[in-house]
Amino acid sequence: DVKVTQSSRYLVKRTGEKVFLECVQDMDHENMFWYRQDPGLGLRLIYFSYDVKMKEKGDIPEGYSVSREKKERFSLILESASTNQTSMYLCASSLGQEYQPQHFGDGTRLSIL
Amino acid sequence: GQNIDQPTEMTATEGAIVQINCTYQTSGFNGLFWYQQHAGEAPTFLSYNVLDGLEEKGRFSSFLSRSKGYSYLLLKELQMKDSASYLCAVMDSNYQLIWGAGTKLIIKP
Repeated sequence: DVKVTQSSRYLVKRTGEKVFLECVQDMDHENMFWYRQDPGLGLRLIYFSYDVKMKEKGDIPEGYSVSREKKERFSLILESASTNQTSMYLCASSLGQEYQPQHFGDGTRLSIL
Repeated sequence: GQNIDQPTEMTATEGAIVQINCTYQTSGFNGLFWYQQHAGEAPTFLSYNVLDGLEEKGRFSSFLSRSKGYSYLLLKELQMKDSASYLCAVMDSNYQLIWGAGTKLIIKP
């Protein structure tokens, strides 16, 4: 079974802090994704990566950056956290082919105070 | 713009059948996915349709009509554990997933 592990289930940070969310997958997947999930909205793509050291902006990249130094690890960085970044953050990975499903981690519920 | 529509909430009875609809308008189409998400948990993959017709997988089936921009997920012999949100997602011409807001399914005894 594919395992996608996110470093924290719950996280509380203060406005202006730099926040790191870590994601690791153990199935040698090429593709990795960061989404946020808010009530009443579909998953929204923040950033994605199709290869090591490669990153592409999704639909809502503002205020975020990412890092992929190793194939199995994809980090999401909130440069200066703001209250409107309070959300559920989901990491996913998939094999390289387009029709392959994405496999998700359990999510990090992040609160910015 | 791109849009995925699905009902916000549905209620059904244990042992019954329920159909969750999804309509979409996207720039291109490279397949439609259904996921299940229990409260506080990760979405898990249920099905993928790229050709018209019905795909059956145990108690769950998924149907696609590309000409109508329409899909449904059919759940038979409902069990209490099927209480969850069901997410519809379409892969567009750029191979990006466009997600619906999800349908919360409530199963009553």
